[in-house]
Amino acid sequence: DGGITQSPKYLFRKEGQNVTLSCEQNLNHDAMYWYRQDPGQGLRLIYYSQIVNDFQKGDIAEGYSVSREKKESFPLTVTSAQKNPTAFYLCASSVGSAGEETQYFGPGTRLLVL
Amino acid sequence: AQKVTQAQTEISVVEKEDVTLDCVYETRDTTYYLFWYKQPPSGELVFLIRRNSFDEQNEISGRYSWNFQKSTSSFNFTITASQVVDSAVYFCALSKGTYKYIFGTGTRLKVLA
Repeated sequence: DGGITQSPKYLFRKEGQNVTLSCEQNLNHDAMYWYRQDPGQGLRLIYYSQIVNDFQKGDIAEGYSVSREKKESFPLTVTSAQKNPTAFYLCASSVGSAGEETQYFGPGTRLLVL
Repeated sequence: AQKVTQAQTEISVVEKEDVTLDCVYETRDTTYYLFWYKQPPSGELVFLIRRNSFDEQNEISGRYSWNFQKSTSSFNFTITASQVVDSAVYFCALSKGTYKYIFGTGTRLKVLA
């Protein structure tokens, strides 16, 4: 079955620790995205990547880093510089040219700080 | 500035009632796209519909229907004969081009049995 997978479902971070969230898709989509969702709020874009080896900052990139070495994979690292990382993180991928694309989402990872 | 407003934070209805979720958007672009997504308790956003700015025809898909009116910058979503499984948070979004979406803050729909 084609789709987007995210792991783990729940992730716990200690103070000063970097953690990496996994996102994999087998839809053959070129573009991939990371969003952050806080309780009662909409989605905010962290990073996006249009093609392999290229990515752009979104609206709240500070404290996060990404890589796009393969078309299928777009991991997100939450660094120790992100002071308030507790949130629900959603990965998405899309097909279509800029402005016409439709984004499809994975099941999400919930990050909690210990 | 581009913006999506979902003024209804939470709506509760009794099963089989019809319910309309409002979405008002702001954009200066002449070409844009509007979306609705459903987020059930599991958390994953499920794509429901995409509409481009040149197509103002209403759309119906089963119990779901969408009313797009450029004159009022609205893209409202109606669920007919609501069911408990419709309980979720619903997001409206606007595509501003260059792969960026603007999401509203969502409307939580509770359908009571």
